[in-house]
Amino acid sequence: EAAVTQSPRNKVAVTGGKVTLSCNQTNNHNNMYWYRQDTGHGLRLIHYSYGAGSTEKGDIPDGYKASRPSQENFSLILELATPSQTSVYFCASGDWGGAAEQFFGPGTRLTVL
Amino acid sequence: GDSVTQTEGLVTLTKGLPVMLNCTYQTTYSPFLFWYVQHLNEAPKLLLKSSTDNKRTEHQGFYATLHKSSSSFHLQKSSVQLSDSALYFCALSFNSAGNKLTFGIGTRVLVRP
Repeated sequence: EAAVTQSPRNKVAVTGGKVTLSCNQTNNHNNMYWYRQDTGHGLRLIHYSYGAGSTEKGDIPDGYKASRPSQENFSLILELATPSQTSVYFCASGDWGGAAEQFFGPGTRLTVL
Repeated sequence: GDSVTQTEGLVTLTKGLPVMLNCTYQTTYSPFLFWYVQHLNEAPKLLLKSSTDNKRTEHQGFYATLHKSSSSFHLQKSSVQLSDSALYFCALSFNSAGNKLTFGIGTRVLVRP
């Protein structure tokens, strides 16, 4: 069974603070992704990676950094959190190929006050 | 750039009736189309996918046909159940490094008794 886990599941941060969201997958997938979900916008890609050590900008990378230290782990970093980054964040993993299914984690609800 | 359009934000219908959710896309590449479903407070998960022109694909009572001539991949079901209440996303991919998905904004389906 595919498994993607995220931590923390809920986070309250202050404006200007640093936030790190972590993601772990046991699928041995090369590709990993970070999305945010907001009503009226669907799922938007922030950063993605196609292997350990690689990170690529997605469609909305501003204000976010990513780190892929290993095949299993992919982190999303908000160096200076802002209220506009309040959202639900999903991590996903997927195999090679355009037809590959993406497996999503349970999500992290982030509130920036 | 690539894009996916879902025209209905909310579809409300009675149990047992048929439903069709619209999805059209734009890309210059050979596309893979997906439908993901997200139940309340859960992660999105794959419902069905296709890359074959004019071939119907089915899963869990839902079906869709990719029509490249009209750039469409509409989702249908003949008789909805209460458990079909969820958020449905149409998504587009193609063969590339990272195999990114481009999502539509989603259609919320509410099934009433």
